Amino acid sequence: AQSVTQLGSHVSVSEGALVLLRCNYSSSVPPYLFWYVQYPNQGLQLLLKYTTGATLVKGINGFEAEFKKSETSFHLTKPSAHMSDAAEYFCAVSNNDMRFGAGTRLTVKP
Amino acid sequence: GAVVSQHPSWVICKSGTSVKIECRSLDFQATTMFWYRQFPKQSLMLMATSNEGSKATYEQGVEKDKFLINHASLTLSTLTVTSAHPEDSSFYICSASDRGPYEAFFGQGTRLTVV
Repeated sequence: AQSVTQLGSHVSVSEGALVLLRCNYSSSVPPYLFWYVQYPNQGLQLLLKYTTGATLVKGINGFEAEFKKSETSFHLTKPSAHMSDAAEYFCAVSNNDMRFGAGTRLTVKP
Repeated sequence: GAVVSQHPSWVICKSGTSVKIECRSLDFQATTMFWYRQFPKQSLMLMATSNEGSKATYEQGVEKDKFLINHASLTLSTLTVTSAHPEDSSFYICSASDRGPYEAFFGQGTRLTVV
């Protein structure tokens, strides 16, 4: 069985500050890992994904995530938050189907 | 590329009626489609997985007779909520893939309100 735990249902940062959203996974096989962003009343937009290869993955909008097998983690970071980054973020793990974490709401203060 | 269109984006229906939601892959052939349900401020819960030409596989606790899923072609899957009740009000999202869930693309979602 596979599952995802997102630590922190709500993260608040100031504009220009570092964004760190935490994700830990559980999977019996090498996982495929994803980060998605969701704006209100919209579907999910893929930020980045890890399948194989390089463990540091760069995505859209300046986001990146690092796959750390020893820590079973796939934390999402962005060096400098922008107001437009305020949204809900979901970490997901995939094997035969895709399972999502509970989500983290990111608030960006001016 | 890889566009998934979901229709309608929102719908209001009366209790007891049925509602059909469409999920289309516009520029690729989706061998597998997934249907999710999302309650306010909560995560996406997988309802069912459908493969083209086969019966859908439902997650435990999802009523297959209430949530009818049809995946008759490689570009279209439908979710029909039968005899809808207010507790079925939710945000429904589909995703489509031509190579497994790690390449799935999401529709924009459908807000269903049952009154």
